[in-house]
Amino acid sequence: AQSVTQPDIHITVSEGASLELRCNYSYGATPYLFWYVQSPGQGLQLLLKYFSGDTLVQGIKGFEAEFKRSQSSFNLRKPSVHWSDAAEYFCAVGNGGATNKLIFGTGTLLAVQP
Amino acid sequence: EPEVTQTPSHQVTQMGQEVILRCVPISNHLYFYWYRQILGQKVEFLVSFYNNEISEKSEIFDDQFSVERPDGSNFTLKIRSTKLEDSAMYFCASNGGSRETQYFGPGTRLLVL
Repeated sequence: AQSVTQPDIHITVSEGASLELRCNYSYGATPYLFWYVQSPGQGLQLLLKYFSGDTLVQGIKGFEAEFKRSQSSFNLRKPSVHWSDAAEYFCAVGNGGATNKLIFGTGTLLAVQP
Repeated sequence: EPEVTQTPSHQVTQMGQEVILRCVPISNHLYFYWYRQILGQKVEFLVSFYNNEISEKSEIFDDQFSVERPDGSNFTLKIRSTKLEDSAMYFCASNGGSRETQYFGPGTRLLVL
């Protein structure tokens, strides 16, 4: 069965520091991978996605993610975190089928300290 | 930029009552979805809808749930007889093709007392 694991429930980083949020997936075929961000009281905003091609994908707000098939990972990175990045981050996998339902991880809550 | 909208933003209801959550997907999108997020838990898929019929549903989506596209713009989720465990944030999403990015609405927070 498809699943997504985000091993870090909560991460705190200092403003200006680099960030890496981990995501591992379990999926039988080539996955469609996504990172969404949820600010308090807001909906889910797409940061970036991977369907095929270049395994390093760039997203909005300076985020990037790298697809590593050998490690079944799709980690999210940002070289320098801003206070406004504080939010909850969700990794998701889609089956790319007729419905492409998304399977989400449990999320990582990012806190940014001055 | 087009966006998915949802109403109401919050709803409080008594156990056993019916609720209807409303969504207006992006206008040229063809695929529609409902997800829910129980407080402190992950976002879970409920149902997908295409061409005026359900294309997939999860185990959560039992007979108490139904979806409808009553006109060309709205997409609704009805819970026939709410239970305490239905308390959650419900998200609507849509996309233009099954393999395209799903765009999410801001959610409706449902509280069942």
